[in-house]
Amino acid sequence: DSGVTQTPKHLITATGQRVTLRCSPRSGDLSVYWYQQSLDQGLQFLIQYYNGEERAKGNILERFSAQQFPDLHSELNLSSLELGDSALYFCASSPSPGDPETQYFGPGTRLLVL
Amino acid sequence: AQSVAQPEDQVNVAEGNPLTVKCTYSVSGNPYLFWYVQYPNRGLQFLLKYITGDNLVKGSYGFEAEFNKSQTSFHLKKPSALVSDSALYFCAVRGSNSGNTPLVFGKGTRLSVIA
Repeated sequence: DSGVTQTPKHLITATGQRVTLRCSPRSGDLSVYWYQQSLDQGLQFLIQYYNGEERAKGNILERFSAQQFPDLHSELNLSSLELGDSALYFCASSPSPGDPETQYFGPGTRLLVL
Repeated sequence: AQSVAQPEDQVNVAEGNPLTVKCTYSVSGNPYLFWYVQYPNRGLQFLLKYITGDNLVKGSYGFEAEFNKSQTSFHLKKPSALVSDSALYFCAVRGSNSGNTPLVFGKGTRLSVIA
């Protein structure tokens, strides 16, 4: 158990809908990362937050947004969902973004868009 | 720009034999290198990392990796494979000059250990 929690574990929804994925980092970790894992694209970095502020942006679609709250948990919002958004979404946390710290991954949320 | 390559999509090895999962990288500055493992329906688990120091890094579950600067490689190794080692393995890298850019992950190598 990495200490990173993600809810829900599974999510089934329809095209055009909006969903929110939640992540709680390890105790004391200030940095949160979101990744998308699909069969054809591998593990894609989406976005990173550090202590409430956006730190780095990867291949995140405009339909997707995220935020990190004062208690350091983070939410990833996916809107106008398409079939191709079906994937595993992982959250990871680490103590500091500037050092080569290890990222600890949560168990993931499996999203299925029908 | 930083990048990492895992040239093999799949590696098959017999139980008890040594295994190697290959990784090569390209970064600006000194490399910070990581290996993660993903078991079915699970998140990625940290195995080991190289930041500085001894080129041979020992990690969890009997795995080790050798940093080779001249070949820009960080291959994962284990002297004797177990069936339970069957999983998806990811190499990741970040350069010391990469600023806020986070880790870049390879596409993964699926390891299958056959009894």
